[in-house]
Amino acid sequence: LAKTTQPISMDSYEGQEVNITCSHNNIATNDYITWYQQFPSQGPRFIIQGYKTKVTNEVASLFIPADRKSSTLSLPRVSLSDTAVYYCLVGDGGNYGGSQGNLIFGKGTKLSVKP
Amino acid sequence: DTGVSQDPRHKITKRGQNVTFRCDPISEHNRLYWYRQTLGQGPEFLTYFQNEAQLEKSRLLSDRFSAERPKGSFSTLEIQRTEQGDSAMYLCASTFVSGNTEAFFGQGTRLTVV
Repeated sequence: LAKTTQPISMDSYEGQEVNITCSHNNIATNDYITWYQQFPSQGPRFIIQGYKTKVTNEVASLFIPADRKSSTLSLPRVSLSDTAVYYCLVGDGGNYGGSQGNLIFGKGTKLSVKP
Repeated sequence: DTGVSQDPRHKITKRGQNVTFRCDPISEHNRLYWYRQTLGQGPEFLTYFQNEAQLEKSRLLSDRFSAERPKGSFSTLEIQRTEQGDSAMYLCASTFVSGNTEAFFGQGTRLTVV
């Protein structure tokens, strides 16, 4: 499984754009990059997933360079309610017969948004 | 369908007792995961099922832990002879394997062993 590296914590202010970068140097050809958000005492919640280039949905954008060895989650104009832990995961969901059916979480990035 | 449901939400038990947690996944999802999470750490993988088959089990999962998914629908996680170190949030997630890794998590069961 590709290992991921993220900053332990980040601070921001309301209204700013926040970019969280994740390194995954050993990403495999079939791997997707997935980001989850977790609030205290709740289960993680899926935010966005991508394979290459750029993906955008109603809450975030995901930028993936051509070599796919890193990815950046971009949260536009954060609010206090975006204070949470953000996890980057890499894997193929076990769809290609490998031992990657499990989803492996690291320690994540704790984002604190201040007024 | 309101998502992944876990029961109970909270459990306090005395050391040495057995506990069982239940997870009801989203109905059409064929894959189900169990995780354990302690304060300040990311979710730690325990095991997962594809339908009723348990496909992988973490090496960290001692023989006091057992999970079942008898009919490929709900799942149970049992911890025998609980220890204080078992105190954690136990999370269940489900997904329909279709080439992506978007999993849906339940609210978790918080276990406190006293």
